[in-house]
Amino acid sequence: QSVLTQPPSASGTPGQRVTISCSGSNSNIAANNVNWYQQLLGTAPKLLIYGNNQRPSGVPDRFSGSKSGTSASLAISGLQSEDAADYYCAAWDDSLNGAVFGGGTQLTVL
Amino acid sequence: EVQLLESGGGLVQPGGSLRLSCAASGFTFSNYAMTWVRQAPGKGLGWVSAISGSDGSTYYADSVKGRFTISRDNSKNTLSLQMNSLKAEDTAVYYCAKLTAAAGRSSRIDYWGQGTLVTVSS
Repeated sequence: QSVLTQPPSASGTPGQRVTISCSGSNSNIAANNVNWYQQLLGTAPKLLIYGNNQRPSGVPDRFSGSKSGTSASLAISGLQSEDAADYYCAAWDDSLNGAVFGGGTQLTVL
Repeated sequence: EVQLLESGGGLVQPGGSLRLSCAASGFTFSNYAMTWVRQAPGKGLGWVSAISGSDGSTYYADSVKGRFTISRDNSKNTLSLQMNSLKAEDTAVYYCAKLTAAAGRSSRIDYWGQGTLVTVSS
């Protein structure tokens, strides 16, 4: 059972907009920045969104993040086949005094 | 170019010990916090431990507290994870990763190693 809750799966067709939710608590998401990672099959994760809604250099603006209270969301617009991957949210948890990850969402591009 | 190269993984019996190392290059190692993240086969990411770059403060997941010890040698640009009293549930790929600040209290990782597999089994 992960501290941050994500739907196990999501799907969409090319060109669609998909959102992935991440639910936490006052000690993690509400209190600290949320980061999102993309993990392609068989590879190490890659930072996709940091500081709730910032994109690292090189990440397409099709990817966006938001946060409200104890929840955060990742949105992918103009879905492409190469977006098929596992997506994870993460935040620092002040009560646990450690980082916590969501359980991950497997995105399928139909 | 930032490079993180893990080593030390392998097969170990339950109750045994293993020491993972991570050789870092391409950045000023002492200026950044480092972390270990693991991924059990077919499962999601799990944070293990972190160490600050500045004052060497350490942080552990409850599941490994008292069994694992994170350390760093800034003179050798090396991060280590000493794992004792290993359990079957510690079986995972262990990633060495670089945080974006000196403080270890962060989940923002900008570089990951390729991972090293630890298998705990009799």
